[in-house]
Amino acid sequence: EAQVTQNPRYLITVTGKKLTVTCSQNMNHEYMSWYRQDPGLGLRQIYYSMNVEVTDKGDVPEGYKVSRKEKRNFPLILESPSPNQTSLYFCASSLRDNEQFFGPGTRLTVL
Amino acid sequence: QKEVEQDPGPLSVPEGAIVSLNCTYSNSAFQYFMWYRQYSRKGPELLMYTYSSGNKEDGRFTAQVDKSSKYISLFIRDSQPSDSATYLCAMSYDTGRRALTFGSGTRLQVQP
Repeated sequence: EAQVTQNPRYLITVTGKKLTVTCSQNMNHEYMSWYRQDPGLGLRQIYYSMNVEVTDKGDVPEGYKVSRKEKRNFPLILESPSPNQTSLYFCASSLRDNEQFFGPGTRLTVL
Repeated sequence: QKEVEQDPGPLSVPEGAIVSLNCTYSNSAFQYFMWYRQYSRKGPELLMYTYSSGNKEDGRFTAQVDKSSKYISLFIRDSQPSDSATYLCAMSYDTGRRALTFGSGTRLQVQP
């Protein structure tokens, strides 16, 4: 089944404790992206990657890092999480144009 | 003013009704228009994807884009309780970033 997977689905952590959210797609898509979804603000792009070893900032990159060492994986790294990063995170991938497929989401709470 | 405006609802309709969902936008550079459906605690699921103006039909769903009015619509015919979800419009223009600009979503409830 073609899909985007994310892990963990739910995470509660404390301020300053480094964490990684993994994202993997099995559709051989070159493009991958991370979004966060917040009430009243909708979905906003954090980082994106056009291909392996090519990443760039989206609209809200502060406090996040990403890497793209393999085509299928695009982890999101929070080196020192803060409470304002409490949100619902989605990974997406795309083969062509702007048609993007989303993962199931990771609900992160930073205390 | 937000780039993409979408009535948050909720919109409640009886089963079998025709549903009309709409978004307006301000950026004339948008060329790609999408509708996503999001069930509670799930990721957005791509429903319809259109490029530029015109209509596109897929089963019970029809997407319309009117670039001259900066207005897009999604019609759902013969609505079913399983259509109850939040519907997000999204759009983008031709850059490498492929960032989607989303509406805030309309919550739809189809009553059996």
